[in-house]
Amino acid sequence: QLQLQLSGPGLVKPSETLSLTCTVSGGSIISSHYYWGWIRQPPGKGLEWLGTIYYGGGTYHNPSLKSRVIMSVDSSKNQFSLKLSSLTADDTAVYYCATHHGAYCSGTNCYPHYLEHWAQGTRVTVSS
Amino acid sequence: QSVLTQPPSASGTPGQRVTISCSGSRSNIGNNPVNWYQQLPGTAPRLLIYSNDQRPSGVPDRFSGSKSGTSASLAISGLQSEDEADYFCATWDDSLNAVLFGGGTKLTGL
Repeated sequence: QLQLQLSGPGLVKPSETLSLTCTVSGGSIISSHYYWGWIRQPPGKGLEWLGTIYYGGGTYHNPSLKSRVIMSVDSSKNQFSLKLSSLTADDTAVYYCATHHGAYCSGTNCYPHYLEHWAQGTRVTVSS
Repeated sequence: QSVLTQPPSASGTPGQRVTISCSGSRSNIGNNPVNWYQQLPGTAPRLLIYSNDQRPSGVPDRFSGSKSGTSASLAISGLQSEDEADYFCATWDDSLNAVLFGGGTKLTGL
């Protein structure tokens, strides 16, 4: 059974960059069966997709955050990571990493399929 | 405000059936499969329904999903106290090139 363990700081300062790492166990980061996603949830609010990466470096970004998000995969550590820059208080949220069940393709258009496995979230507060 | 519209709340009593709607447009629900997630208080979301009406193993058959045109629905029959949670619909949007979530529906009264 695939499991994800999310790690990162609980408190970051405004204007700084948030770095989160998700460690995968029970499966391989290079598997074509999975795409690797990031989601957050501000306090008392709904879910927001941040972006998705798959092995080989292909990425999908939330257009509203694209300029601030960098995602990467480290096959040697079976991990994938997120960096979110230029933080403000609006970035305060519980952050999740999760796996997509590969890609869904309709004709020539392919995109991340449903989110299958989720890590326990980590609460990040942006404050000086 | 979410592109996918859900009622903010729903209520029911044990044993009843409740339906939660998710309304979108052609570029999202109209063209792509819909997935549903359940989030119990203080926990990570859990996949409940995928590809409109498919249940992952381990999800009771009390939960069912459907889609028609640009709307989707999640039905829960035989409500139980442990069903009290937030429910989110999600799909891909071809115009935004993004995964979208509905605003979520809080199920209470159990």
